[in-house]
Amino acid sequence: EVQLVESGGGLVRPGGSLTLSCVASGFTFSSYSMNWVRQAPGKGLEWVSSISSSGNYIFLADSVKGRFTISRDNAKNSVSLHMSSLRTEETAVYFCARGKDGYPWPDFWGQGTLVTVSS
Amino acid sequence: NFMLAQPHSVSESPGKTVTISCTRSSGSIASNYVQWYQQRPGSAPTTLIYEDNQRPSGVPDRFSASVDSSSNSASLTISGLKTDDEADYYCQSYKGGDWVFGGGTKLTVL
Repeated sequence: EVQLVESGGGLVRPGGSLTLSCVASGFTFSSYSMNWVRQAPGKGLEWVSSISSSGNYIFLADSVKGRFTISRDNAKNSVSLHMSSLRTEETAVYFCARGKDGYPWPDFWGQGTLVTVSS
Repeated sequence: NFMLAQPHSVSESPGKTVTISCTRSSGSIASNYVQWYQQRPGSAPTTLIYEDNQRPSGVPDRFSASVDSSSNSASLTISGLKTDDEADYYCQSYKGGDWVFGGGTKLTVL
């Protein structure tokens, strides 16, 4: 059974940093691209970042460039999103999602982890 | 980048058919595949349609989708509506490695 389990969410002050992790199981992690999508309370979906299966190709939304980084550890079946200089408007549920190299969409989603940016 | 416009909400009765549109603001809708996602209240999204009109295994054939170049839009059609179909539906496309989501459509089945 494919599973994606996110962790690392919580309360952080504006301007602070937080690292989210997503651990995968039930498939060959190193063969899939991985992605982060967020959803502010009561709002729609917003793509944040993608990383290719090898980690060689990284894409970031313009809104997070220079502040967020994505990385993966294929030996540990995990992908991380390091977020810095966080803003209150980035309060959201952050979903980890699996994809395929060259196919910019997810075929499986995790349940998400809530990040609250507030003073 | 382009935007994808969806109606904020639609409603229809059980057993009927409903269509949700997704209009691309610039560039051709046919230049990049369109995907559709379903998100039930309190749950994570699930992938309903990929590559314009392909259903992942397990998605019923009551769900279908198409792309219309003349209106520069994509459409998701749900037939034989069930109360369980009540959810938010999002279209998504991309340019290069950047993804773009529509704003979502809330489907009410009443």
